[in-house]
Amino acid sequence: QKEVEQNSGPLSVPEGAIASLNCTYSDRGSQSFFWYRQYSGKSPELIMFIYSNGDKEDGRFTAQLNKASQYVSLLIRDSQPSDSATYLCAVNGGKEGTYKYIFGTGTRLKVLA
Amino acid sequence: NAGVMQNPRHLVRRRGQEARLRCSPMKGHSHVYWYRQLPEEGLKFMVYLQKENIIDESGMPKERFSAEFPKEGPSILRIQQVVRGDSAAYFCASSPDGLAGARDTQYFGPGTRLTVL
Repeated sequence: QKEVEQNSGPLSVPEGAIASLNCTYSDRGSQSFFWYRQYSGKSPELIMFIYSNGDKEDGRFTAQLNKASQYVSLLIRDSQPSDSATYLCAVNGGKEGTYKYIFGTGTRLKVLA
Repeated sequence: NAGVMQNPRHLVRRRGQEARLRCSPMKGHSHVYWYRQLPEEGLKFMVYLQKENIIDESGMPKERFSAEFPKEGPSILRIQQVVRGDSAAYFCASSPDGLAGARDTQYFGPGTRLTVL
């Protein structure tokens, strides 16, 4: 079992729709959860982080964390073609230590105009 | 406020040569992390450094790879005697002082894309 799992996609959604990106993790002791966006050939860009169970909203983005189910998700409302990118889920604070981010392989999102 | 800087952005080496990648953290950050991203794969942790100290190098290959973060100057990731399998994007990240721990947020540089011919 991979430590952090994401569906590789591509996930295709029409412009204006809600995109839902999911991530599961295996280390129950994980403490912090991050979503990064990575455009092709570019570096990861932090979108959101979440530490506590529940929802956290920032503009069009909502991160959801359920530690009991070991599941974190990212919702993108009113998706735009510029949101088309690979979204990376990262986890830390578990047995690997408090600073070592464990990344999933990413979900490729395509927003269709 | 300048972000994390890396150079060179692209590096081409022939097998057997040395590759030297540089990273300057964001102003006010003294924690530096190196990650490697192979094509179509996620980022893999390599090493975590603070000034003059290697804190965790558990992700570094045992041979040919080394990293340093001197008191003055950028952090350097050195790959000796490169092989084709070293071709990848190497990203450096930094995090703020005083917040080391599970809630530390890492900010990534633009990366160095290494191609080994």
